[in-house]
Amino acid sequence: AQKVTQAQTEISVVEKEDVTLDCVYETRDTTYYLFWYKQPPSGELVFLIRRNSFDEQNEISGRYSWNFQKSTSSFNFTITASQVVDSAVYFCALSEPYGGATNKLIFGTGTLLAVQP
Amino acid sequence: NAGVTQTPKFQVLKTGQSMTLQCAQDMNHEYMSWYRQDPGMGLRLIHYSVGAGITDQGEVPNGYNVSRSTTEDFPLRLLSAAPSQTSVYFCASSYTRYSSGYNEQFFGPGTRLTVL
Repeated sequence: AQKVTQAQTEISVVEKEDVTLDCVYETRDTTYYLFWYKQPPSGELVFLIRRNSFDEQNEISGRYSWNFQKSTSSFNFTITASQVVDSAVYFCALSEPYGGATNKLIFGTGTLLAVQP
Repeated sequence: NAGVTQTPKFQVLKTGQSMTLQCAQDMNHEYMSWYRQDPGMGLRLIHYSVGAGITDQGEVPNGYNVSRSTTEDFPLRLLSAAPSQTSVYFCASSYTRYSSGYNEQFFGPGTRLTVL
């Protein structure tokens, strides 16, 4: 069965600190996608990144970076020089494999990040 | 394009009442789904549909009905609301994945439901 674990329930940092959000996943599938979503206090879900299981290259987008390691089934998310606007709940998610008609997502329980000024 | 729209944004029900959460998309997406979000639980799939006339159950379908009579609309029905259904409900849509690769899933703004 597929599962996503975000062990960090809440993290509090001071502005400009770096912070890493952990995500560990379980799947028997060899092909799959991994995602990160941001949910700010306003409540909507904001798509951040998608990574397929064949691509283990790390990705950087501004202050955001992602580290995908199949060997440890982890897809961690780092925010460099955090800002108050980064305060949100962050979800990691896993999709079912290629070839299926559906886009079912399995979400982790989320990590609440609070960035203090 | 309006994207994925959900109505209402907020709703308070009494136990035993029925209601329908509306979801509509104008992107001609075949795939639509409903998730519920509860504190400490993340988002869990309730029901999904891969096209008009086709629906299936997700992880937590009990207490909810769906139908898909058109490509655009995917309403979620609560026949007899219970306090355990207090949650935030998200609708999502995308193209199906018969082609290679992944089709981005678009989420609606959510409906916050309280059952007293």
